[in-house]
Amino acid sequence: ELKVEQNPLFLSMQEGKNYTIYCNYSTTSDRLYWYRQDPGKSLESLFVLLSNGAVKQEGRLMASLDTKARLSTLHITAAVHDLSATYFCAVDPNYGGSQGNLIFGKGTKLSVKP
Amino acid sequence: DVKVTQSSRYLVKRTGEKVFLECVQDMDHENMFWYRQDPGLGLRLIYFSYDVKMKEKGDIPEGYSVSREKKERFSLILESASTNQTSMYLCASSFWNQPQHFGDGTRLSIL
Repeated sequence: ELKVEQNPLFLSMQEGKNYTIYCNYSTTSDRLYWYRQDPGKSLESLFVLLSNGAVKQEGRLMASLDTKARLSTLHITAAVHDLSATYFCAVDPNYGGSQGNLIFGKGTKLSVKP
Repeated sequence: DVKVTQSSRYLVKRTGEKVFLECVQDMDHENMFWYRQDPGLGLRLIYFSYDVKMKEKGDIPEGYSVSREKKERFSLILESASTNQTSMYLCASSFWNQPQHFGDGTRLSIL
């Protein structure tokens, strides 16, 4: 059974600082997604990582995937208040033949303070 | 833009009632999903469907059923609602292994 663990689950940052959120998963997978959820809102897709060594960047966020270590990271550079949200990683458990279903981590609640 | 529409934002029902949650997507996606989201537990998959009239159990299907009679519509049914089914319910759709697009959610309270 695939398990997805995120850490930390809560993160309080100061504006301008850098930090990394980690997503570990327990079995082989070749497809990982990052989502963002604002309070009271639904989930929004941020990144899709499809291969070992994949790196995607959007603004102050950069995501990477190491399939051998079964680890993805979401790096935040020079945080700003607008990045305050809950971030989820999600892993496709169907290695080699996706059905589209995902296993989600519990989410990391990020709070960026001035 | 993809639109996933859930029929209600807030719903209050009583224990023992049969509850229907409706979800419609407008992008001709093959896959549709129902999750529940609870504090500290993240999103847990209840059921998903990859084609009309097809359904697959997710991680927590007990107490729920689903119906997909048309490609654009995926319904979640609580056969006999119980208080432990009070939760936020999220519907999503996607093309195969593309990112899932989520609806705004239905906050369901069972009294």
